[in-house]
Amino acid sequence: QKEVEQDPGPLSVPEGAIVSLNCTYSNSAFQYFMWYRQYSRKGPELLMYTYSSGNKEDGRFTAQVDKSSKYISLFIRDSQPSDSATYLCAMSAIRNPLGAQGAQKLVFGQGTRLTINP
Amino acid sequence: NAGVTQTPKFRVLKTGQSMTLLCAQDMNHEYMYWYRQDPGMGLRLIHYSVGEGTTAKGEVPDGYNVSRLKKQNFLLGLESAAPSQTSVYFCASSYTGTSGNGNETQYFGPGTRLLVL
Repeated sequence: QKEVEQDPGPLSVPEGAIVSLNCTYSNSAFQYFMWYRQYSRKGPELLMYTYSSGNKEDGRFTAQVDKSSKYISLFIRDSQPSDSATYLCAMSAIRNPLGAQGAQKLVFGQGTRLTINP
Repeated sequence: NAGVTQTPKFRVLKTGQSMTLLCAQDMNHEYMYWYRQDPGMGLRLIHYSVGEGTTAKGEVPDGYNVSRLKKQNFLLGLESAAPSQTSVYFCASSYTGTSGNGNETQYFGPGTRLLVL
């Protein structure tokens, strides 16, 4: 079983729709949760960052973390064609499991490919 | 600031050939990482560095070597390329590690597409 599971899609919705992207995880030590957006043939860029449980809103984007269910979500309101990209969830624990002091190990989901149709 | 840059952008190798991928960052970050991205596998950590002169193995280190001679540069080497190393390689850097205030956020380069025939 993968530590982080993410539906790869593809997901196609009309412009203006509300989009819901989700990840589940198995490691209860994860405390930091991130969403990265990756345009085609580009590197991932950080979109949202959340520590522990709760909601965080940034413009049209809302990130939710439910640690009791080990489930995180990213909502996109009033979706735009420019939101078409692959969205990757990523998470990490407080303590570094790699052994070297201070280095953060990010565990990524597979990514969900999203297309917003005009 | 250019952020994180990677060279080359694309390369084709024959099995058994060697090459070096270069990553450079101008953000004065201490931590640097090399990932590979494959369909259905997400991003997987190959090697990382917590500072100049230090390197450590990640999740999938076999067949790769790295060096961090200068703080701003992180090199990934393939000694004898194999078709299984066909992938997109991403370099990332972060200011610090597990501080919990967001400074551990990793910033990614644009990637290097490698095809091994």
